Amino acid sequence: SQTIHQWPATLVQPVGSPLSLECTVEGTSNPNLYWYRQAAGRGLQLLFYSVGIGQISSEVPQNLSASRPQDRQFILSSKKLLLSDSGFYLCAWADRGRKAFFGQGTRLTVV
Amino acid sequence: GESVGLHLPTLSVQEGDNSIINCAYSNSASDYFIWYKQESGKGPQFIIDIRSNMDKRQGQRVTVLLNKTVKHLSLQIAATQPGDSAVYFCAERGGDNNDMRFGAGTRLTVKP
Repeated sequence: SQTIHQWPATLVQPVGSPLSLECTVEGTSNPNLYWYRQAAGRGLQLLFYSVGIGQISSEVPQNLSASRPQDRQFILSSKKLLLSDSGFYLCAWADRGRKAFFGQGTRLTVV
Repeated sequence: GESVGLHLPTLSVQEGDNSIINCAYSNSASDYFIWYKQESGKGPQFIIDIRSNMDKRQGQRVTVLLNKTVKHLSLQIAATQPGDSAVYFCAERGGDNNDMRFGAGTRLTVKP
């Protein structure tokens, strides 16, 4: 069966520090991968999605970036965090044309 | 489109009543729709999906209705239980089946 791992679960980082959140999927090949951000009490904002290794579509211009170095690995990064980067970050995977499955999320607080 | 900047609308129902949660979508090319349930501090969980060639689909205690004419989607929960209390999101997948965008979400509270 397929599983998705996302870590860390919580993270507190100072303003200006770098960020690296990792997401890995098991039990499937060539999935679509997604990064979302959710502010407290709000909806899910699509940040990036990827349909294959090295292929990244960016939805929102900001100081975040994403990479897919391997088929089942999706990384969200930042060189310098801003206070406004605080939020709940969710990774998801989906087979083509089918429902997506989410990780448990990373709560990032930038201080 | 995404309504991520808006506070979540709320729906409060009595235990045992039926709940109806509504969602408007924006992309007329979207051909696949999904409802998710999100509990506090967790990732969204799949509830039910529907393709654009259907207008109704039923699951266990849940029914999704799709009206493509007005680009409207609804989730009906029968005999709502306290465990149904959560935030519910609809999601639409574009015609290219790659991006997946979420609606604003609705917070459902079930009163005992």
